[in-house]
Amino acid sequence: GAVVSQHPSWVICKSGTSVKIECRSLDFQATTMFWYRQFPKQSLMLMATSNEGSKATYEQGVEKDKFLINHASLTLSTLTVTSAHPEDSSFYICSAPAPGETQYFGPGTRLLVL
Amino acid sequence: GDSVTQMEGPVTLSEEAFLTINCTYTATGYPSLFWYVQYPGEGLQLLLKATKADDKGSNKGFEATYRKETTSFHLEKGSVQVSDSAVYFCALSGSNFGNEKLTFGTGTRLTIIP
Repeated sequence: GAVVSQHPSWVICKSGTSVKIECRSLDFQATTMFWYRQFPKQSLMLMATSNEGSKATYEQGVEKDKFLINHASLTLSTLTVTSAHPEDSSFYICSAPAPGETQYFGPGTRLLVL
Repeated sequence: GDSVTQMEGPVTLSEEAFLTINCTYTATGYPSLFWYVQYPGEGLQLLLKATKADDKGSNKGFEATYRKETTSFHLEKGSVQVSDSAVYFCALSGSNFGNEKLTFGTGTRLTIIP
């Protein structure tokens, strides 16, 4: 099946710094990508839909200025957590639907803000 | 809004035991239903799906039937193996392919003991 990668898999940063997470579709083009956040023992919550060549669509309650999303090409979307704080510590997962198929998920990025 | 309620884990079974993981949903319209599996260190993978009432999805010995009257999509397997140890997520989508926004349950961690 299709492959979606995420980088980095693990990141630790100091409070107040910004962190960028990359999501790549390795063998297909994706005009849309999804960013999810998962808290311990909880469900995946959709944060935003990333659209190639246009602005991302954010879910209610997600701060656009806090979580910047850029879908620069048909194979790359980035999520930047700006001025990160400990409450932003979480597991971030991206997914991309292959044309006419289901969504393929990345392995996730664990963020720890100290 | 749409929601998915999933049986809480963790679930621990002996090899060759029968498995049931309950999943019920609330949705407007006629959603498609999915089970995703996440093996350790990997991204979520589609396990099976059903797109209309009374459809049965099946894969790798797992089955689930779309029950509209009880709004349920319970996952079953007759004889589990150690390799089935993973986290299982029930989800729904407005798309038959699941290439649109997905609403997930909380996930159930399954451990199979030899």
